[in-house]
Amino acid sequence: DTEVTQTPKHLVMGMTNKKSLKCEQHMGHRAMYWYKQKAKKPPELMFVYSYEKLSINESVPSRFSPECPNSSLLNLHLHALQPEDSALYLCASSQPLLAQETQYFGPGTRLLVL
Amino acid sequence: SQQGEEDPQALSIQEGENATMNCSYKTSINNLQWYRQNSGRGLVHLILIRSNEREKHSGRLRVTLDTSKKSSSLLITASRAADTASYFCATVPRGKLIFGQGTELSVKP
Repeated sequence: DTEVTQTPKHLVMGMTNKKSLKCEQHMGHRAMYWYKQKAKKPPELMFVYSYEKLSINESVPSRFSPECPNSSLLNLHLHALQPEDSALYLCASSQPLLAQETQYFGPGTRLLVL
Repeated sequence: SQQGEEDPQALSIQEGENATMNCSYKTSINNLQWYRQNSGRGLVHLILIRSNEREKHSGRLRVTLDTSKKSSSLLITASRAADTASYFCATVPRGKLIFGQGTELSVKP
């Protein structure tokens, strides 16, 4: 199984809502990533988990809260978002070694904040 | 700015033609990777070339790497309409995958 799944595919939320994005992989990868991508821009790294521990936080605002409950799951909890947070959120996984190896991406969650 | 810069930003060709995209980067690398993204979906890894390699092939893809010029190129031969997508090069400075700005390729049937 070389698939990374993400739910939901689309999400519309108000600025006072709390929601979560979910990501799952069953490739035995021990590194998982969250990226944010705006239209016509490349993905930008947000967080890296290595062996279920947060290893990189790219100075992301605290309204984004990542969680890695186990080696297969990665969540991104959203609270009090701003309209500028509307974007495609991509999850990826790889073998650890600091992203030197191929990353496998999920299809993304398209988020709209109203 | 981004680690990788790509050109052209957009490329439109006819089916059957070859497409070449170029990528330049700034720091030393262990490897350089190319990814494809179809219309706002997830990225798909295409090919990884290591710093001690100069050229690599995978099907209709040919990637070159020139570490002295800090540049790479991706050639897609005999393009198909299904190759229409955005193509990103990516490097791994300081342990983080950093993408170039991407090239939007449109292949017209």
